[in-house]
Amino acid sequence: GENVEQHPSTLSVQEGDSAVIKCTYSDSASNYFPWYKQELGKRPQLIIDIRSNVGEKKDQRIAVTLNKTAKHFSLHITETQPEDSAVYFCAASINTGFQKLVFGTGTRLLVSP
Amino acid sequence: DSGVTQTPKHLITATGQRVTLRCSPRSGDLSVYWYQQSLDQGLQFLIQYYNGEERAKGNILERFSAQQFPDLHSELNLSSLELGDSALYFCASTPTGKGETQYFGPGTRLLVL
Repeated sequence: GENVEQHPSTLSVQEGDSAVIKCTYSDSASNYFPWYKQELGKRPQLIIDIRSNVGEKKDQRIAVTLNKTAKHFSLHITETQPEDSAVYFCAASINTGFQKLVFGTGTRLLVSP
Repeated sequence: DSGVTQTPKHLITATGQRVTLRCSPRSGDLSVYWYQQSLDQGLQFLIQYYNGEERAKGNILERFSAQQFPDLHSELNLSSLELGDSALYFCASTPTGKGETQYFGPGTRLLVL
């Protein structure tokens, strides 16, 4: 089955710096890759997603890149702000039939003022 | 607010007991997913239902069961509870369960003493 690895587990940056979180997946059939942000004790919230027919997607300060050959995808946050501090999860799924998301282990991002 | 609701928000019980967690999907969504998130852990997929039928199963223990009712709400039953079952339990919903964004509910925090 699918396995998703996520690095780093913790990431500390200064406000205004960029942050990059990387994930690798094992199943080449995976074709949907969402990223979720989870604040302490709250629900995971989708921040951006990408499908396998696209190499890059941007939404304001957030971007995701996908390298299907290497089976990895990354989240890029530019001009980080303290409110970006949270745990970020990547996930991968195969969309043949019913979807089953497999999540990475999460990255705790701390943005210091 | 994702439109997915979960009750109760918090639940404290003793080992050996049985509890039921409830989830109401977003209006119009037919598919419900259940996840378990232990302390400082990622999201583990438990089970998925679509329009009342089980569609996918993850690492769900035999002590756990779920069902989806005709009004599309879902219940997750946890029995013979152990200390290690203490976790956040989330449900998510999508319209068809096939490749759409999963929107998470606020979660139920279960504490087994």
